[in-house]
Amino acid sequence: AQRVTQPEKLLSVFKGAPVELKCNYSYSGSPELFWYVQYSRQRLQLLLRHISRESIKGFTADLNKGETSFHLKKPFAQEEDSAMYYCALRRDAGNMLTFGGGTRLMVKP
Amino acid sequence: NAGVMQNPRHLVRRRGQEARLRCSPMKGHSHVYWYRQLPEEGLKFMVYLQKENIIDESGMPKERFSAEFPKEGPSILRIQQVVRGDSAAYFCASSLTGATEAFFGQGTRLTVV
Repeated sequence: AQRVTQPEKLLSVFKGAPVELKCNYSYSGSPELFWYVQYSRQRLQLLLRHISRESIKGFTADLNKGETSFHLKKPFAQEEDSAMYYCALRRDAGNMLTFGGGTRLMVKP
Repeated sequence: NAGVMQNPRHLVRRRGQEARLRCSPMKGHSHVYWYRQLPEEGLKFMVYLQKENIIDESGMPKERFSAEFPKEGPSILRIQQVVRGDSAAYFCASSLTGATEAFFGQGTRLTVV
């Protein structure tokens, strides 16, 4: 069975500080991992996926198979980054996602 | 393209009533997924449908819950004889194929009183 764990429910940082949102997973197959973001009063949207190896809005995430982690990082947080962040793992076939419990990021001025 | 549309946004039902949640996928999308988010928890997969077919319902409770995606019209998640524990946010997502990005609706918040 697959499982995604986000150990922090809330992360509060000051503007300009580095941010790391933790995500650990357990999965017997070859994982495909994603980060989704939900800004206030908006729908859940894809932020980035590990296979793209891209940087979106300054965020990056590297898949570490040895540590079974996919932490989301940004060197300098902005106030507009305040949102709920969900780490998700895609199951074998199809688009069914297993989500972590989410981390609320608050960036203070 | 209006995106994935869910209605109603908020639904209040008394215990024992039926709840019907609708999801209109993005134009051209024939794959629909339903997720449930209980308070203070992450989204949990319920069911995956493709036009007129249930592909995977491994996350659906065995009783009282059903889903359909007819040839015409929206996908419907139906909960019969609701109980307080059914209170949650229900999200729908759609995708063009089973491998492309899924886009989420804004959810329906069900409250059972």
